[in-house]
Amino acid sequence: AQSVTQLDSHVSVSEGTPVLLRCNYSSSYSPSLFWYVQHPNKGLQLLLKYTSAATLVKGINGFEAEFKKSETSFHLTKPSAHMSDAAEYFCVVSDPSGTSYGKLTFGQGTILTVHP
Amino acid sequence: NAGVMQNPRHLVRRRGQEARLRCSPMKGHSHVYWYRQLPEEGLKFMVYLQKENIIDESGMPKERFSAEFPKEGPSILRIQQVVRGDSAAYFCASSPLSSSYNEQFFGPGTRLTVL
Repeated sequence: AQSVTQLDSHVSVSEGTPVLLRCNYSSSYSPSLFWYVQHPNKGLQLLLKYTSAATLVKGINGFEAEFKKSETSFHLTKPSAHMSDAAEYFCVVSDPSGTSYGKLTFGQGTILTVHP
Repeated sequence: NAGVMQNPRHLVRRRGQEARLRCSPMKGHSHVYWYRQLPEEGLKFMVYLQKENIIDESGMPKERFSAEFPKEGPSILRIQQVVRGDSAAYFCASSPLSSSYNEQFFGPGTRLTVL
């Protein structure tokens, strides 16, 4: 079984300051991990993915995440927040075991607010 | 290459009516996933289909819900005799393969409101 816990339901930062969105996962196997972003009333857009290659993953719009197996974490960071980053962010795990067929398990989401 | 398309974007139904949600995957993608997002919650897996086959429906409610992905045409998620608790955003995603290493591309969603 796989699960994802996003440790903060809301994060608020000032424009130009760093962003940290925390995620812990549980998986029986070596998982694939993703971060998706959802702007209001829009679909989901992939920010980045980890698939057992480099543990530091760079994504779009300056976001990156580091896979830490010992801590079962996959936190999302960005050095400097922009107003357009305000959205809801989902940490997602996919279990490569044979019965999961690639289906995704989502965290509860973290709403990021960026203040001017 | 057009992305995943879903229609309608918004759907209003009265209790007891039927809701039909359509999803056209990206060109070349033969794997379709449906997810439901209830208010204040993350997305939950419902069903995974390939052309003409339901592969995994472990997330589908046992009654009133059905899904298909015919050889020709879009995937359909059908909800019979809707109830207020069915109000949610329903997202479709497609993938060229079923591997967990492949990202899924999401459509804009259908927001269902049951009055």
